[in-house]
Amino acid sequence: QQQVKQSPQSLIVQKGGISIINCAYENTAFDYFPWYQQFPGKGPALLIAIRPDVSEKKEGRFTISFNKSAKQFSLHIMDSQPGDSATYFCAASIIGGNQFYFGTGTSLTVIP
Amino acid sequence: GAGVSQSPRYKVAKRGQDVALRCDPISGHVSLFWYQQALGQGPEFLTYFQNEAQLDKSGLPSDRFFAERPEGSVSTLKIQRTQQEDSAVYLCASGRDYHNEQFFGPGTRLTVL
Repeated sequence: QQQVKQSPQSLIVQKGGISIINCAYENTAFDYFPWYQQFPGKGPALLIAIRPDVSEKKEGRFTISFNKSAKQFSLHIMDSQPGDSATYFCAASIIGGNQFYFGTGTSLTVIP
Repeated sequence: GAGVSQSPRYKVAKRGQDVALRCDPISGHVSLFWYQQALGQGPEFLTYFQNEAQLDKSGLPSDRFFAERPEGSVSTLKIQRTQQEDSAVYLCASGRDYHNEQFFGPGTRLTVL
């Protein structure tokens, strides 16, 4: 059973546009929600993360929006650039637990 | 400083062979995780170490999979009698402790023929 559901599977955005990737979870015990960026042949790299005590976190062009009641969170990439073309994974974990649960990934292509 | 390194980067094995995959975490990192990433999928948890103690191995898919970290630094994931369904990228990640960011290595791509 997929603990974290991610959509869309793929996304094509024009340069300068906004990329939006969504994730949903069921386990209300999750309390740490990171987003990872992965380029081909590389391991995932942490992009930005949020805890459920805030509804939004912004770092540069990347923003996480978190809706605790809906059990959803999303990544927004503002002013998308061709260099942002990569696969993005959301994840969730429980503080004190040992496991991180990853979504199935979104392949983002930013067209020049 | 150096990041997480994994070796080999690519491994081709014949069905039934044993393989050993190595992970060198960032020096001083307490936590170490192994993940399996199938093509087009997200990483799936295999096992977790805190120093040399294997605290969680619930994600290991069968008893053919074995991981160790005897001195609390380098870790080895061993797969015995490999099967075609074992073909995947095996990722290692380390962290200063569980609550901190996980730093991933580049992975080992295992292909079982």
